[in-house]
Amino acid sequence: DAGVTQTPRHEVAEKGQTIILKCEPVSGHNDLFWYRQTKIQGLELLSYFRSKSLMEDGGAFKDRFKAEMLNSSFSTLKIQPTEPKDSAVYLCASSPRGATGQLYFGEGSKLTVL
Amino acid sequence: AQSVTQPDARVTVSEGASLQLRCKYSSSVTPYLFWYVQYPRQGLQLLLKYYSGDPVVQGVNGFEAEFSKSNSSFHLRKASVHWSDSAVYFCAAPWAGGADRLTFGKGTQLIIQP
Repeated sequence: DAGVTQTPRHEVAEKGQTIILKCEPVSGHNDLFWYRQTKIQGLELLSYFRSKSLMEDGGAFKDRFKAEMLNSSFSTLKIQPTEPKDSAVYLCASSPRGATGQLYFGEGSKLTVL
Repeated sequence: AQSVTQPDARVTVSEGASLQLRCKYSSSVTPYLFWYVQYPRQGLQLLLKYYSGDPVVQGVNGFEAEFSKSNSSFHLRKASVHWSDSAVYFCAAPWAGGADRLTFGKGTQLIIQP
C-alpha cells in the first residue's frame, strides 16, 4: 500500500507569496492531520479532519493558514501570505478509523520563506 | 491539560550499549501513550503504543517502553543499540481536547557513537 504522499518536498517562497502544500493520505484512512515542525516549537497541530469534516482549525494558525480536504484522498494546506517565520517542515499524517494515536506520516514539505 | 515532556534534548550512547529515553506526561487519567521515531529527512513512524494492561510494551527493532502511573512516566528502552538507531524520538499522548489527536514532546535526538 502507498503511504502518505506530500508534495512538494521543498519550496522556497518570497515573503507575501501564497503557498499550497499537498497531501494524499493512505487509502481508506479516516482522519487527516497537518502538523508544523520546527526545532524550537517541535510539532504543532495545524488542522485535523475526520471523514473530510474539519474538526480542528489550528487556533493560533487560523489567520493565514487554511487546510481543505477536497475529497477523501486529497488535502491542501494554503499559507497566505507567507512570512519568514513560517519557515518549517509541514507534515501530513493520516490515521485509520478507531486507531487512536496511530498516525502514518508523510516525509514532509520543507518550506523556506525569504 | 495534558502535556508531554522529554527532558533530554540529546542523548549519546555507544554502539552496543543500553539505552533509556525519558518521557513524562501530565494527566489526571491514565492516558494512551506512544513513541514515534523520525529518521533523517523522513516523517515520523510509530515505534510502540500503550493503551492499557501490561505496563511494559514491546515495539519494533527491539525497543520497549514501560508505563509508570506513580511516576507519570513512559520511558523508552533498548538493551543494545545499533548505529541505525540514530534518529529523533518523540513521546506523544492524546491532548486534553480530544483523544483523537496527539500532543508531542519536543523530541530526543539519539546519537550513536562507534
